[in-house]
Formats: sequence, C-alpha cells, structure tokens
Amino acid sequence: QQQVKQSPQSLIVQKGGISIINCAYENTAFDYFPWYQQFPGKGPALLIAIRPDVSEKKEGRFTISFNKSAKQFSLHIMDSQPGDSATYFCAASYYNQGGKLIFGQGTELSVKP
Amino acid sequence: DTGVSQDPRHKITKRGQNVTFRCDPISEHNRLYWYRQTLGQGPEFLTYFQNEAQLEKSRLLSDRFSAERPKGSFSTLEIQRTEQGDSAMYLCASSNTGTVDYGYTFGSGTRLTVV
Repeated sequence: QQQVKQSPQSLIVQKGGISIINCAYENTAFDYFPWYQQFPGKGPALLIAIRPDVSEKKEGRFTISFNKSAKQFSLHIMDSQPGDSATYFCAASYYNQGGKLIFGQGTELSVKP
Repeated sequence: DTGVSQDPRHKITKRGQNVTFRCDPISEHNRLYWYRQTLGQGPEFLTYFQNEAQLEKSRLLSDRFSAERPKGSFSTLEIQRTEQGDSAMYLCASSNTGTVDYGYTFGSGTRLTVV
C-alpha cells in the first residue's frame, strides 16, 4: 500500500503559536520523507526532509519528528508567522528505487495576526 | 544556480493541439521528474529520468504524453492532441543521488489550460 495520509486538512494558528501537521504511512520500504510548502500558483518548495535512520531534524523554525515504529512523521512550525500561511504537503519515497514521491492530501495553514 | 527552471509558465491551447514544455534542472542533479497537479490535490508522479535514461512511467502517462531528456540535462514533456482533462499544473523536479539530503527540488511549474 503506497498511501500517505495527512492531517488535519486545514489549520488555523495564532501568530507566534506552534503549527503541527501529521502524516502516516503504511509501507516500511519508504526511505525519504520530505515536507513541501506551496503558495497559490507556485511549485512546492522543499522545506525540510528526513531519512528513517533519524528521529528528529530541525532547520530554523521547522522540525520534523519521525516515529519509525508508529510509521508516522510530523512537521512542527515554531513561532508561526502570517507569511507561513500556505498549503503544506508531506511526501514519502522509495528514493533508492527511483525516488517517486507519494504525496499526502495537503494541509492549508492560516496564521492569524 | 537558480534552481529548477520551467518554460513556459502558462500555456493556453485549443483542444486537439500539441504542446511542449521544457524543464532545466539544477545542474549537478542527475535525476529529473515530471509531476502533474490539479487544483486542491498533491502532485502526482508522471515519469522520471536518471541522467538520460527514462526509468519509470506512471499509468497516468498515456500514449499522448512523451518525455525526453536527450543529453541528461534539460527535459521536454510533450502532450499530443490535448484534451480538457489535461488542464493542470505540470511540475518538474530534480534531485541528486550523491548527496545526503537529495535536495529534491521542484520548479514553479507550467500551468496548462485546454479550451
């Protein structure tokens, strides 16, 4: 099963708050888990990515937490800003077998000032 | 390097016409991917190249679609006899198998509208 399930579908956060988006996957053969941010009319922009041998990765205000046993990973956006308002996609890939990304359904984040 | 470049940004065509899109990947990236994205959905994989070899094609890539990467650098995606259902954003991405984080980067896409 290649599905990646993402939640919530939409999220409203106050400025300065923490935004948390969750993803779950089924296939343990996935070996690469990126998160993308997409603004209307633009292509997805790579935010941060993790491989399954690491449980957490932080880059600036963005952190991925990865739970291999639960087959779940999440994106945390600290000190959320109105400029973070966008659609966020998680994805998973068998990178060593080609790298095709399987995307989650997306989360529309709105950060209120 | 300015990232993944796609041309044109927008294309409006009449049903039945052929269209061609171009993608220039990040220069040191050896893999190049094509995806299609419709409104409100995540991107869906179409095909990918490693250097000049096309190694996988999705069942979404009907016989009317063809992709090439002749010298392992830029790539083209052609759609023949376009249909209204082809209207979507066509995204190109590239990555580097030789780096730890792969740098899987998308371009800004080509928005196709078939009228």
